[in-house]
Amino acid sequence: DAKTTQPPSMDCAEGRAANLPCNHSTISGNEYVYWYRQIHSQGPQYIIHGLKNNETNEMASLIITEDRKSSTLILPHATLRDTAVYYCIAQRGSSNTGKLIFGQGTTLQVKP
Amino acid sequence: EAGVAQSPRYKIIEKRQSVAFWCNPISGHATLYWYQQILGQGPKLLIQFQNNGVVDDSQLPKDRFSAERLKGVDSTLKIQPAKLEDSAVYLCASSLDLARAGNTIYFGEGSWLTVV
Repeated sequence: DAKTTQPPSMDCAEGRAANLPCNHSTISGNEYVYWYRQIHSQGPQYIIHGLKNNETNEMASLIITEDRKSSTLILPHATLRDTAVYYCIAQRGSSNTGKLIFGQGTTLQVKP
Repeated sequence: EAGVAQSPRYKIIEKRQSVAFWCNPISGHATLYWYQQILGQGPKLLIQFQNNGVVDDSQLPKDRFSAERLKGVDSTLKIQPAKLEDSAVYLCASSLDLARAGNTIYFGEGSWLTVV
């Protein structure tokens, strides 16, 4: 599975969009980009995933560059409850394990 | 839909004692994972089951850790004897099928272990 690189921390003002970048320059064609977040004292929460196309759900949008070497998770209107550690993971689809390998993630602090 | 259930939520034990954690995955999920998360770090996979068979246990310290999923549903992770460095959150997760493309993994709330 490809290695991902994320900034260790970011701040965002409440009500504004939070844009969290992720670099995955060695990603292969069959690897999905997954985003999870972890709020203190809770288990990781699934947010969104994608392969090639941009994706949107009720929580967030995922923008993947055309060359797939980087992606951005967008929280359109950040609230204080979005303060968490966000993990970007590249996972091989149809692999014989399907496991997720977590890095250090980005700590997002949403400020009033 | 019920999520991944884990118990106990918190446990404090002395070093060299034993402890067991229980996990009930989402109904119908064939794949079950146990992760260890030390404070300040991302979760690390310990062991992965597909139904009642082990898929990957390469990161499991087998001299003290053991896990089973006898009937392909619930799972138990045991530590015996515990060391101070085992203090961590133990996360159980499940997914429909490891071989499915775009497979989503869902996590439980975790079991917090403190070894004193």
